[in-house]
Amino acid sequence: DIQMTQSPFSVSASVGDRVIITCRASQGISSWLAWYQQKPGKAPKVLIYAASSLESGVPSRFSGSGSGTDFTLTISSLQPEDFATYYCQQANSFPLTFGGGTKVEIK
Amino acid sequence: EVQLLESGGALVQPGGSLRLSCEASGFTFGNYAMGWVRQAPGKGLEWVSSISVSGGRIYYADSVKGRFTIFRDNSKNTLYLQMNSLSAGDTAVYYCAKANNSWVFDYWGQGTLVTVSP
Repeated sequence: DIQMTQSPFSVSASVGDRVIITCRASQGISSWLAWYQQKPGKAPKVLIYAASSLESGVPSRFSGSGSGTDFTLTISSLQPEDFATYYCQQANSFPLTFGGGTKVEIK
Repeated sequence: EVQLLESGGALVQPGGSLRLSCEASGFTFGNYAMGWVRQAPGKGLEWVSSISVSGGRIYYADSVKGRFTIFRDNSKNTLYLQMNSLSAGDTAVYYCAKANNSWVFDYWGQGTLVTVSP
């Protein structure tokens, strides 16, 4: 199974800050990676697929990069509605696996 | 508008069974793979199972293999998850999700809570 390791576990940031979340796969997954945002009590929402493709309707302040084993999600200028938990997911092979999540909190 | 409406969550005793349903609308259900993802209280996301368009390819997490069965009825636009031999570790919100063409979940239901407790 492919293990997905996210860091940091949590990050405190202010509105307007640049936030970077990383995700590392235990083996190469090419660009088969997605990023999701989840707010408390709500279902996850996909932000990025294929490592760097922005899902329709997602603000351009979100961007993804990487391939192989190392990936990043960048929020260029944090907005109040971005405080949430973020998960990566590999879609390279079954079993599909998620990272442990990164909680973005208000500083 | 894509909508996924789960139902069937309940309080069930250990060893019991439950069937979850997910009624889809707003897209051509029979053209997309589907899946179930669960989230235990206060925990992260855990993929449970996925099924291809025709049902010919089915995948399970090791944690549910042999106990859970995923199936779909394309004539009813409905996805199912039959869960048997439930244990406390299966307690979670179960989400139904539509997959895009690369096993990424681009639409999710609101979730249904399954609680396994005596």
